[in-house]
Amino acid sequence: EADIYQTPRYLVIGTGKKITLECSQTMGHDKMYWYQQDPGMELHLIHYSYGVNSTEKGDLSSESTVSRIRTEHFPLTLESARPSHTSQYLCASRGGGGNEQYFGPGTRLTVT
Amino acid sequence: SQKIEQNSEALNIQEGKTATLTCNYTNYSPAYLQWYRQDPGRGPVFLLLIRENEKEKRKERLKVTFDTTLKQSLFHITASQPADSATYLCALRNNNDMRFGAGTRLTVKP
Repeated sequence: EADIYQTPRYLVIGTGKKITLECSQTMGHDKMYWYQQDPGMELHLIHYSYGVNSTEKGDLSSESTVSRIRTEHFPLTLESARPSHTSQYLCASRGGGGNEQYFGPGTRLTVT
Repeated sequence: SQKIEQNSEALNIQEGKTATLTCNYTNYSPAYLQWYRQDPGRGPVFLLLIRENEKEKRKERLKVTFDTTLKQSLFHITASQPADSATYLCALRNNNDMRFGAGTRLTVKP
């Protein structure tokens, strides 16, 4: 079982609200990632980080922002949630010289 | 443009048979390819990695092949069990990030 955690697991929120999805890992991995995945669809990379104070946008355009102030913590923020943001958000990390990614359990977001 | 295609959205097989899943890619030159398992409502779990200079990799009932000429990887599960039912994703390293295929949903019937 990977030591990577996401909270909340489920979130239903109204349009226009600001939300932060939390992701933490205790493996000391330097690389962390956020993916968006709709049911039955592929994962789309929306943000990644190679270390503290390093953040980059992924392939999928996203209105979210991320920060990496501590190695273990990589939160994702939506300033103003919209129904189009309804999706599953998966956090992952990689490090220790390995090439595989370790995923958290995901946050299923519904914006009404 | 770069593409990763996995065969059919769903594959149904009988328990005990071998499941074979396909991953084809275009406009990539990956140093390695990975396979992950994803259960409903969960994040993917890493299964196997195969490098470009490796033809085949095995782990228990799993076998992966990698043909860089055909730009294809095959993922086999032998002696399949209902517990193997899940979605299987292939992933390629692309510069500094990983790209995932849409996955193939495997159902093993008892």
